[in-house]
Parts: sequence; structure tokens; C-alpha cells
Amino acid sequence: EAQVTQNPRYLITVTGKKLTVTCSQNMNHEYMSWYRQDPGLGLRQIYYSMNVEVTDKGDVPEGYKVSRKEKRNFPLILESPSPNQTSLYFCASSLQGGGNEQFFGPGTRLTVL
Amino acid sequence: AQTVTQSQPEMSVQEAETVTLSCTYDTSESDYYLFWYKQPPSRQMILVIRQEAYKQQNATENRFSVNFQKAAKSFSLKISDSQLGDAAMYFCAYRSPIGFGNEKLTFGTGTRLTIIP
Repeated sequence: EAQVTQNPRYLITVTGKKLTVTCSQNMNHEYMSWYRQDPGLGLRQIYYSMNVEVTDKGDVPEGYKVSRKEKRNFPLILESPSPNQTSLYFCASSLQGGGNEQFFGPGTRLTVL
Repeated sequence: AQTVTQSQPEMSVQEAETVTLSCTYDTSESDYYLFWYKQPPSRQMILVIRQEAYKQQNATENRFSVNFQKAAKSFSLKISDSQLGDAAMYFCAYRSPIGFGNEKLTFGTGTRLTIIP
């Protein structure tokens, strides 16, 4: 089944404790992206990757890191989480080309205390 | 930069009736793509319908159709014969075509649709 997977689905952590949210897709997509969803703000892009070893900042990159060592994986790293990073996070992937559907993972609900 | 505006935070409709969700956007590009995504309580983002800006014909997918007005930069979603399963948050989104840098989706703030039995 074609899908984007994320882990964990839920995470409660404390300020300053490094964490990684994994994302993997099995559709051989070049483009991958991370979004965060906050009430009243919709989804905003954090980082994106056009292909392996090619990553760049989105609209709200502060406090996050990413890597793209393999085509299928695009982990999101929070080196020192803070309460303002409490949010719902989505990973997405697609073939290159604006008209192609972006497929979303199931979301990760992160709470930083 | 592109922006997407959804001015209706909440809407409700009687089951089996028709409802229209509004979306406007701002861009200086002439070629682009527009999408409506549905987010049910499960939080999964589900593509409902897409529209290419260079196509004048409005997209349709079963009970879902759009009214795309390029000059007015308007992209509304019409849901006909509303069903209980249509209850969700709906997001309008804009995407630039390939070759224009980051192919991100720019989202509106969403409209929460309630279906009244």
C-alpha cells in the first residue's frame, strides 16, 4: 500500500530533551516536506527536500533540523524543544511538479512541557 | 509570496443539502494549482479536488465541485447532497508549478463544516 508513515503518533516530552520524528514514504517520491498545524493558522511549512541531500527552509524553520540521506526517509529533529513547538506535525511527499498530489502522513501530536 | 484566505471559520449544513465553502488567494503567478483538502476527526489530510489554473473548466469529483474564478482569484468548493461523513475541517491550498522553487502547499486557515442530521 502506498503510504507515508510517521512515528511516533503521540509524544509528550519536556523542554530541552532532543527528539526525532521519523517520516518514511514508499512511493519513490523526490519531494518531501514537513508542516506544522496550529489552531487558527492552518498548516505551515517547516522544511522541505527536493531530493536526496537537498533540503531547505520553509516558512517556520526556527528550532528544527532535517536530513535527507535516503530518498524514502525525511526525519524532523528538535534539538532543544520548547513549549511553543507544541503542535500537530505532518510529513508529506509527492512527485515533483506542482500539480501532483502531496500525500500526507497520519500526523504526530507533540506536547512540550 | 502567495497567500490563501478562508473567511468562514465554521459552517453548517443540513444533511442532503448543498453547501459552498469560500477561498480566495493572492499570487502574481499565471500558472499554478489549487487544492481542497479534507481533515476529518482522524486528522488525516485527504485530497478532495484539484484545479489547474490554465484550465478554464471547473473540476468535479462526484458530489464535490469547484467554482474557479481566475480573474477574481477565487476558488470555492461546493458539496452537493451533504452526508454525515462530510463533517470535517476543509483546507484550501495553493501550489506553484515545477520550476518555481519550493513546491510547497500554502494553506488557508480552514473551515470547519458541521452536518446537521
